[in-house]
Amino acid sequence: QVQLQQSGPGLVESSQTLSLTCAISGDSVSSSKADWNWIRQSPSRGLEWLGRTYYRSGWINDFAVLVKSRITIDPDTAKNQFSLQLTSMTPDDTAVYYCARRCSLSTCSRAFDLWGQGTMVTVSS
Amino acid sequence: EIVMTQSPATLSVSPGERATLSCRASQSITSNLAWYRQKPGQAPRLLIYDASTRATGVPARFSGSGSGTEFTLTISSLQSEDFAIYYCQQYNNWPPWTFGHGTKVEIK
Repeated sequence: QVQLQQSGPGLVESSQTLSLTCAISGDSVSSSKADWNWIRQSPSRGLEWLGRTYYRSGWINDFAVLVKSRITIDPDTAKNQFSLQLTSMTPDDTAVYYCARRCSLSTCSRAFDLWGQGTMVTVSS
Repeated sequence: EIVMTQSPATLSVSPGERATLSCRASQSITSNLAWYRQKPGQAPRLLIYDASTRATGVPARFSGSGSGTEFTLTISSLQSEDFAIYYCQQYNNWPPWTFGHGTKVEIK
């Protein structure tokens, strides 16, 4: 059974860096059929895609313009996981953060078909 | 950025009745639309992709329709687990992929 298991702290101080990890079981972070995403959800902003990493003869990252200057997403092939780092956190970054798989082939859904359990991250001011 | 607008914000329906949810895109997204259901305290779950294709394991009471800018999710006979929030999401134009703000289906 394919699963995504998130880990990381639920409380971050303002101006500090958020670090979350998403461990993959039943699939591979290096899969040529998928990309691996971070999405967050807050009452004020709703569901917001942050960025992704994927492997196509090399690692590629894409990020939302809103967070592009502050975000890093790194794959870890040895541990079959990927991580999110978001620097300079502010209370506006308070949200539930999800990792999610997107099947990227034209023959599959191309939607987010597998999600982690979510991590509630609160930024203290 | 494509803006997704869902209506109504809240829908009150009795168990066993039909629910019809709408999603509008700010520009054409052809059929590149997904629907998700989110129960309290859980992650969203993919229900429909390509506007009308049910994801693996999704019951037949869920159906999707539409193309271009107007889309509909229909739940033919609401079960207890269907009282939740539903989101649409476009994957036609990137970046970024964008979601609607959701329709809450509540018990009437």
